[in-house]
Amino acid sequence: NAGVTQTPKFRVLKTGQSMTLLCAQDMNHEYMYWYRQDPGMGLRLIHYSVGEGTTAKGEVPDGYNVSRLKKQNFLLGLESAAPSQTSVYFCASTSTGAGHTQYFGPGTRLTVL
Amino acid sequence: GDSVTQMEGPVTLSEEAFLTINCTYTATGYPSLFWYVQYPGEGLQLLLKATKADDKGSNKGFEATYRKETTSFHLEKGSVQVSDSAVYFCAPSGSARQLTFGSGTQLTVLP
Repeated sequence: NAGVTQTPKFRVLKTGQSMTLLCAQDMNHEYMYWYRQDPGMGLRLIHYSVGEGTTAKGEVPDGYNVSRLKKQNFLLGLESAAPSQTSVYFCASTSTGAGHTQYFGPGTRLTVL
Repeated sequence: GDSVTQMEGPVTLSEEAFLTINCTYTATGYPSLFWYVQYPGEGLQLLLKATKADDKGSNKGFEATYRKETTSFHLEKGSVQVSDSAVYFCAPSGSARQLTFGSGTQLTVLP
């Protein structure tokens, strides 16, 4: 049971390049989330999904797109990266059960030059 | 929307000192409340939670009580250890179970 995994762990992009971050969970969770963490600002929600084939915007969705084609995977895309998107990105998932603890991946550190 | 006000850090304590990290929140209804901990270079781990008013969450010597009347969920530990050095986040959950995080409190425990 690997829990929540994220690939890649590190990435450096140039302004205007695109990339996709992959999140996978093996806990059969319905809900999945993408957050970004910036110094002194805690974590902010980018997008989330309440089930396969569904997505919704969070607090800071601009410049990002997501897809949930399979229940176990949640992809975060940057179509045209900007330096303001330099951050650490965390994926999380949770079940529909009582107590709904979110389980987090180890993070992806992205630098946009 | 939901918001969290968390005690600003950094907090530096000596080993075996008493710890309090204050957290107050605004949210619709009666959310579940969580404390997460982040060790250097790692993701967030659940420390404890409480799902209804007056519930006390506890784990590894840490405790927090869900106070509906004061909308607070303060974290306490009676005797901290060097290994407790980390960043602590308070978070209520929303309608889709999403979490709204405070800015985090950096704790350093000195031997």
